[in-house]
Amino acid sequence: AQKITQTQPGMFVQEKEAVTLDCTYDTSDPSYGLFWYKQPSSGEMIFLIYQGSYDQQNATEGRYSLNFQKARKSANLVISASQLGDSAMYFCAMRATYNTNAGKSTFGDGTTLTVKP
Amino acid sequence: EAQVTQNPRYLITVTGKKLTVTCSQNMNHEYMSWYRQDPGLGLRQIYYSMNVEVTDKGDVPEGYKVSRKEKRNFPLILESPSPNQTSLYFCASTPIRSFSGANVLTFGAGSRLTVL
Repeated sequence: AQKITQTQPGMFVQEKEAVTLDCTYDTSDPSYGLFWYKQPSSGEMIFLIYQGSYDQQNATEGRYSLNFQKARKSANLVISASQLGDSAMYFCAMRATYNTNAGKSTFGDGTTLTVKP
Repeated sequence: EAQVTQNPRYLITVTGKKLTVTCSQNMNHEYMSWYRQDPGLGLRQIYYSMNVEVTDKGDVPEGYKVSRKEKRNFPLILESPSPNQTSLYFCASTPIRSFSGANVLTFGAGSRLTVL
């Protein structure tokens, strides 16, 4: 079974500062992908960043980076230089690959990030 | 424009009145999936489909049915809706030709359902 834990229901950050959103996961699948999605107040789901379980390097996408520590089963999202438009709900998610669980996906409960001016 | 289209976007219905939420994608994606989002619970997977005529249960399938007769469509059916199915529903799709974790889900805009 897959499980995603996001322990921070809400976070505040000052504009232009960096913030880390925590995500830990648990799975018995040998191969999996980890994702972060953003959901602004308008409700749509926006993909931010992906990390494969066998990727050697941490993923980066512009101001977003994923701090992947496989041994600790953590996949924290780091947002650098926060902007007011970053205020949103953030979800960590995982999906198994290449086995009978391929297709099952699990999301965390989300972290609400508020960027203060 | 490549997209996942859900209808209706908003619906208020009454207990027991069958309803269908449609989902259609124009990207020729093999994989489609339904999720429900409730406050404090994130997104929970209801059903998913790896291809036409292939469907499987997610974590919360009770009270829902799906079908995948065509590649582009993946309707969600509530045969006898109950108030605990009041939720925000998302449909999503992704290609599966070389199914790797890097295949990012494209989400529909969501359907807000209220069952009285």
